Amino acid sequence: NAGVTQTPKFRVLKTGQSMTLLCAQDMNHEYMYWYRQDPGMGLRLIHYSVGEGTTAKGEVPDGYNVSRLKKQNFLLGLESAAPSQTSVYFCASSYSGRKYFGPGTRLLVL
Amino acid sequence: DQQVKQNSPSLSVQEGRISILNCDYTNSMFDYFLWYKKYPAEGPTFLISISSIKDKNEDGRFTVFLNKSAKHLSLHIVPSQPGDSAVYFCAASHGLGGATNKLIFGTGTLLAVQP
Repeated sequence: NAGVTQTPKFRVLKTGQSMTLLCAQDMNHEYMYWYRQDPGMGLRLIHYSVGEGTTAKGEVPDGYNVSRLKKQNFLLGLESAAPSQTSVYFCASSYSGRKYFGPGTRLLVL
Repeated sequence: DQQVKQNSPSLSVQEGRISILNCDYTNSMFDYFLWYKKYPAEGPTFLISISSIKDKNEDGRFTVFLNKSAKHLSLHIVPSQPGDSAVYFCAASHGLGGATNKLIFGTGTLLAVQP
C-alpha cells in the first residue's frame, strides 16, 4: 500500500514549456486534490475532483488544467509555464474528510 | 485575506518541555479544525483534529484546545521530543467530510526541539 505517490519529484522548466504532474493513489479514494505551497502562503487548493471523470476549480486554478480519467490518477497540467508557478505541488486524496498527501513535486520555472 | 493565521513562523523548545503552537482564524463559519505535521521533502501528515462542538481533544502527547469565542486554537505537545521537529500547519474548514471540504491552511510554524 503505497498511499499517494507523485511523479516527478523535481523538475526545472523554461518559461513557456509545458508539463504534466502525475498523482496516483491506491486507497480507492473518491476525492483527490492538487495544492501548491509557497513561502509565507500555506497550502492553496488549485483543483480538485469528486470522482472519476469530474474536476472542479479551487482557490488558485489559473494557468493549470487537470484530468481524472481513472479513479486512481489525478493529473495536473501546465500548458505554458510561468515563473510564478515555481512552487512545491502536493497531491492529496481523501476519505471522510481526512486528507492523505503525497511527498510533493518541486517545480522551478526559469 | 488570511483566514487562518499562524503568527509564529518558528518556535524552539527544549526536549522534555511543552511545545505550544498557536493558530487564529477569522471565519466564524469554520467548524472543523486540523493540525498537520510536515517533515522536509515529505507531504503533510494528519496529526489531530477537533470539531467546534468540543473545546479539547487529546491523543497521546498531543492535545488541541479550541476557544471559539476568541477564534483561537492551540496545539500542545508534551513532552516534546527531537522527532517532533517539523513544520506544523493549522487548517480549518466549514463542514466535515466531502470533496467540498476545502481546507484553509495557515502558513505553518517550524518547531525545533533541542536535545
